[in-house]
Amino acid sequence: DTGVSQNPRHKITKRGQNVTFRCDPISEHNRLYWYRQTLGQGPEFLTYFQNEAQLEKSRLLSDRFSAERPKGSFSTLEIQRTEQGDSAMYLCASSSQTYEQYFGPGTRLTVT
Amino acid sequence: AQSVSQHNHHVILSEAASLELGCNYSYGGTVNLFWYVQYPGQHLQLLLKYFSGDPLVKGIKGFEAEFIKSKFSFNLRKPSVQWSDTAEYFCAVNRGRNAGNMLTFGGGTRLMVKP
Repeated sequence: DTGVSQNPRHKITKRGQNVTFRCDPISEHNRLYWYRQTLGQGPEFLTYFQNEAQLEKSRLLSDRFSAERPKGSFSTLEIQRTEQGDSAMYLCASSSQTYEQYFGPGTRLTVT
Repeated sequence: AQSVSQHNHHVILSEAASLELGCNYSYGGTVNLFWYVQYPGQHLQLLLKYFSGDPLVKGIKGFEAEFIKSKFSFNLRKPSVQWSDTAEYFCAVNRGRNAGNMLTFGGGTRLMVKP
């Protein structure tokens, strides 16, 4: 399968814990995006990378959130000191420079 | 701020009925427009896209959409729906000539097709 993959698919954590998600984009894609989707809403942009450079961050991305793409391939999204409001589906997408974004299956986070 | 509005949150149709889902956006510059579909239990998939040229674009599974610049709209249509079209549909926009930019999504329309 050469699509976007995300791990884990589901994560349940207690409030205050840190969590980290991983995204592996389509191999030839240099752009990688993170979105968050809550129930009944469309995805909301969080951040994106071109190669290893983080070029844009949404105001939704509080100081507790950090994303990296160290070698311009896979990316990680870490949430520190999770809150119940962080419960959502976290989506990763990738694209080449000028074409459409392809989405992964998402990581569903539940904060109890 | 740029926004995308989908007017119908839930639509219920019988098989063979025609479908039109509305999408309006607020950005006045050059835009690229997309419709994504999310079938139950599956991830977002691209249904169709508009970058430039013919404002009537055709996508997969018999779907089409028309870009009307004067109305800031990009409505999705299908002449005859099938039960398998039951899904959630999202309109999305990104700005500029480079389609590799962040997407702004509408709130989605949940379509249920009754057999």
